[in-house]
Amino acid sequence: EAQVTQNPRYLITVTGKKLTVTCSQNMNHEYMSWYRQDPGLGLRQIYYSMNVEVTDKGDVPEGYKVSRKEKRNFPLILESPSPNQTSLYFCASSLLLAGYEQYFGPGTRLTVT
Amino acid sequence: KNEVEQSPQNLTAQEGEFITINCSYSVGISALHWLQQHPGGGIVSLFMLSSGKKKHGRLIATINIQEKHSSLPITASHPRDSAVYICAAPNSGGSNYKLTFGKGTLLTVNP
Repeated sequence: EAQVTQNPRYLITVTGKKLTVTCSQNMNHEYMSWYRQDPGLGLRQIYYSMNVEVTDKGDVPEGYKVSRKEKRNFPLILESPSPNQTSLYFCASSLLLAGYEQYFGPGTRLTVT
Repeated sequence: KNEVEQSPQNLTAQEGEFITINCSYSVGISALHWLQQHPGGGIVSLFMLSSGKKKHGRLIATINIQEKHSSLPITASHPRDSAVYICAAPNSGGSNYKLTFGKGTLLTVNP
């Protein structure tokens, strides 16, 4: 089954404790992206990757890091989480570029206290 | 950067009513996305439109490239249509790697 998986689905952590949210797709997609969703602000793009070893900033990259060492995986790293990073995070992939159908992961609800 | 505006923000309908959700964007694009998010659920891609009309089950979205506007009418709305509908457009300036999202329209259809 074609899918995008994210782990963990729920995470409560404390300020400053490094964490990684994993994202994996099994569709051989070149494009992958991370978004955060906040009430009243909607979805905003954090980082995206056009292919292995090629990543770039979205609209809200501060406080996040990403890497794309393999085509299927695109982890999101919060080196020193802060309460303003409490949010619902979605990973997505598409065949090529943002103009192609986007496949979303189930979401990760992160709370930073 | 593309600016994406949706209206209305909230919409309540009785089952069977006709409703329309609108999306406007500021810069010409290659394709517009419509997404659906059920309460507590994940996000599903409904359509990707570059011109004319596109169908997904009972839903038919239209886009007017010249006016930079897309509509998602729902005829005979049903409680299962209750969800947040989000449109998204790739950014301008040749960067087809970034997506800008509208803030979403919360549709509630009462039985």
